Amino acid sequence: GQNIDQPTEMTATEGAIVQINCTYQTSGFNGLFWYQQHAGEAPTFLSYNVLDGLEEKGRFSSFLSRSKGYSYLLLKELQMKDSASYLCAVRDLNYGQNFVFGPGTRLSVLP
Amino acid sequence: GAGVSQSPSNKVTEKGKDVELRCDPISGHTALYWYRQSLGQGLEFLIYFQGNSAPDKSGLPSDRFSAERTGGSVSTLTIQRTQQEDSAVYLCASSFPEGGWTDTQYFGPGTRLTVL
Repeated sequence: GQNIDQPTEMTATEGAIVQINCTYQTSGFNGLFWYQQHAGEAPTFLSYNVLDGLEEKGRFSSFLSRSKGYSYLLLKELQMKDSASYLCAVRDLNYGQNFVFGPGTRLSVLP
Repeated sequence: GAGVSQSPSNKVTEKGKDVELRCDPISGHTALYWYRQSLGQGLEFLIYFQGNSAPDKSGLPSDRFSAERTGGSVSTLTIQRTQQEDSAVYLCASSFPEGGWTDTQYFGPGTRLTVL
């Protein structure tokens, strides 16, 4: 089966850097996605990794290590509006077009 | 064009009643997904459509749940004889899966279902 794990909650200070980790177990890995979800809203796409390494996109970066089944989302220069849940999702070829979402990490940014 | 839309945005129903939730995907998106999200929880996969067919129904929690998609576009999720544990936000997403980042799913605003 598949298993995706993320910390449940994190707290950080405005202007700081925070790293949100995601570990996964899958047999047919074919991509990892990060989504942001503000309270009461739908998830929105942040980043995609399929090869090992770091993908940078403005204040947000995402890293992947396939051999370790590990990814992280790095948020720099935190702003209050970054307070949201961050969802890690893995696509597994053995599950066709299905995605498996992690439980999400609720990030609170404090002034 | 427009994003994914869902209706109704909120639905309150009595236990035992049937409900129908609708999803309009982004035009041209061939893949459509239904998820359920309980308060403070992650996304629970329900069903996936490629075109009008549903190759993966593994997430439907019981035979009270069914879904269809017509014309490769609009999809409806039907819950029969609703129970209180069905209360959740039902999210629809669509994508144009050609591999890689294009598999990105675009989510609708969701339907908040409350079963009294």
